[in-house]
Amino acid sequence: DQQVKQNSPSLSVQEGRISILNCDYTNSMFDYFLWYKKYPAEGPTFLISISSIKDKNEDGRFTVFLNKSAKHLSLHIVPSQPGDSAVYFCAASARSNYQLIWGAGTKLIIKP
Amino acid sequence: NAGVTQTPKFQVLKTGQSMTLQCAQDMNHNSMYWYRQDPGMGLRLIYYSASEGTTDKGEVPNGYNVSRLNKREFSLRLESAAPSQTSVYFCASTRQGSGNNSPLHFGNGTRLTVT
Repeated sequence: DQQVKQNSPSLSVQEGRISILNCDYTNSMFDYFLWYKKYPAEGPTFLISISSIKDKNEDGRFTVFLNKSAKHLSLHIVPSQPGDSAVYFCAASARSNYQLIWGAGTKLIIKP
Repeated sequence: NAGVTQTPKFQVLKTGQSMTLQCAQDMNHNSMYWYRQDPGMGLRLIYYSASEGTTDKGEVPNGYNVSRLNKREFSLRLESAAPSQTSVYFCASTRQGSGNNSPLHFGNGTRLTVT
């Protein structure tokens, strides 16, 4: 049973436009959510996070939105750049258990 | 800064062979983790070490053992490799915990093939 789901295996976006990556979760105990970015042959790198007490967190071109009632979060990248082409993983944790649960990832392709 | 260093980068084993994947971090982090990544799946936790001297099972520990040699090093051992252990293995570390306010720092992975 996948507790964290990224239903789009891939997404293609024109350079300069907005990229929106989605993530759904089923466990209502999750209270902290993270996005990681991964390039080929490298390990994931931390991108941005959000606590369940917030509904939005922004860092430069990256914004994460959290909708607790829908158990849904999204990552917005504006404007999209070629270097954003990577696999993006959503991950979640519960305060009572610090182990992260990961989604399967979405491959983002930025077209020139 | 090297961050998290994993060796080897690639390995091919025959079924039944054993090997140890090495991991070292130079960030003075307390917690270290071993994950595996398989196609179409998220990262799955194999074992973790919350602090030096402790290790605990994660989601998929069967077929693996770990050793937290010191604060810097955390190794993963396959005693008798099976084709189902073909995967990419990632080591990670964090200051404390893997949730709130302590993002994981990952190595670049070990790609293991068991034939």
